[in-house]
Amino acid sequence: AQSVSQHNHHVILSEAASLELGCNYSYGGTVNLFWYVQYPGQHLQLLLKYFSGDPLVKGIKGFEAEFIKSKFSFNLRKPSVQWSDTAEYFCAVNAEGPYGGATNKLIFGTGTLLAVQP
Amino acid sequence: GAGVSQSPSNKVTEKGKDVELRCDPISGHTALYWYRQSLGQGLEFLIYFQGNSAPDKSGLPSDRFSAERTGGSVSTLTIQRTQQEDSAVYLCASSLKGQGDGYTFGSGTRLTVV
Repeated sequence: AQSVSQHNHHVILSEAASLELGCNYSYGGTVNLFWYVQYPGQHLQLLLKYFSGDPLVKGIKGFEAEFIKSKFSFNLRKPSVQWSDTAEYFCAVNAEGPYGGATNKLIFGTGTLLAVQP
Repeated sequence: GAGVSQSPSNKVTEKGKDVELRCDPISGHTALYWYRQSLGQGLEFLIYFQGNSAPDKSGLPSDRFSAERTGGSVSTLTIQRTQQEDSAVYLCASSLKGQGDGYTFGSGTRLTVV
């Protein structure tokens, strides 16, 4: 079955440290990829998305992600984290339809809880 | 409305009772999704609506779970004879038609079955 793997379940960093959260997916066709963030007490929000084109995608709040097709990966990065980045981060991919191609349904990873210490 | 609205925000129910969870999507969003978020489990897909029809209901855990959508707008997720394992946050999201649109999520309904 199609799946999304986030290998880091819980990450603790100090402010100004660099961040990279791993995401791998299993679907081999054309994909749309997403990172969502859930700040404490808030609802899930879209951080960035990749549909096509430049595999390096810029998102809000200084986040970026790189799509590497050969590695089935879409890792999230930020050069210097802040305390306000403390949140749970979810990677997601459009599910494959029964006849191939991506659908509107998203499959999510299990999330990575990031704690940034001041 | 401006966002996806879910009600109630919290629901505590006794085991064996039925519950209804409501989702009001963003106006004009034809696609609507229900997910379940449990601690350490990530987001589990339940059902997807395009308009009033549900082309994918593969994630509904059992026949105790059902959902409907009327007028291409409001959706209701019903859980019959609730069990303790149904305790979770139930999230609704909507999106414009078309592949790959990002979802807009509601704040969820936290369901606790005691």
